[in-house]
Amino acid sequence: DAKTTQPPSMDCAEGRAANLPCNHSTISGNEYVYWYRQIHSQGPQYIIHGLKNNETNEMASLIITEDRKSSTLILPHATLRDTAVYYCIVRVGSWGKLQFGAGTQVVVTP
Amino acid sequence: DGGITQSPKYLFRKEGQNVTLSCEQNLNHDAMYWYRQDPGQGLRLIYYSQIVNDFQKGDIAEGYSVSREKKESFPLTVTSAQKNPTAFYLCASSIGGQGRNTEAFFGQGTRLTVV
Repeated sequence: DAKTTQPPSMDCAEGRAANLPCNHSTISGNEYVYWYRQIHSQGPQYIIHGLKNNETNEMASLIITEDRKSSTLILPHATLRDTAVYYCIVRVGSWGKLQFGAGTQVVVTP
Repeated sequence: DGGITQSPKYLFRKEGQNVTLSCEQNLNHDAMYWYRQDPGQGLRLIYYSQIVNDFQKGDIAEGYSVSREKKESFPLTVTSAQKNPTAFYLCASSIGGQGRNTEAFFGQGTRLTVV
């Protein structure tokens, strides 16, 4: 069973920030939080990952709560090309299993 | 260019036939994975391998088999025992190694249709 819970869908206006929540209340101390997205009929694309500190890269920011039971992916300025299914995953190291849940379908509208 | 390649992109087979899906990577990654995706669903893990000559069952291994004879290759065989083989199959790889934490890279998938 997937170890994360995400809302099934959310809409976002183009140019606005998109905040995608994820609950991972059973996360272990050595498990990282990873985010991927999948545009229809393509392979998933890596976005960002973190352990306990907040992380930022050119695509997004990841905010992890202090108790590590939840996190939020922030797309700072959503564009139409950000329309995709976003997956939140917990994983032990880069060799650990990647187990996907159902993800959140994000639709960015003009 | 470095990357992970799945072939073919589309594959058609008759019911009852075994079929092998190819996955090759030139990223020098230790770990490789196979997933299945059905329409409107998330990815489900079939098999994964953390090192050459070793692999582990994922959540839905029944009806599938794999081999990992070379670091760069992780072929998946869909056998006649798989009751609903029609699906989108995705392969991924990552560096691996305890203490190392990097992303996995995915291929573009093979869409298998059994008629």
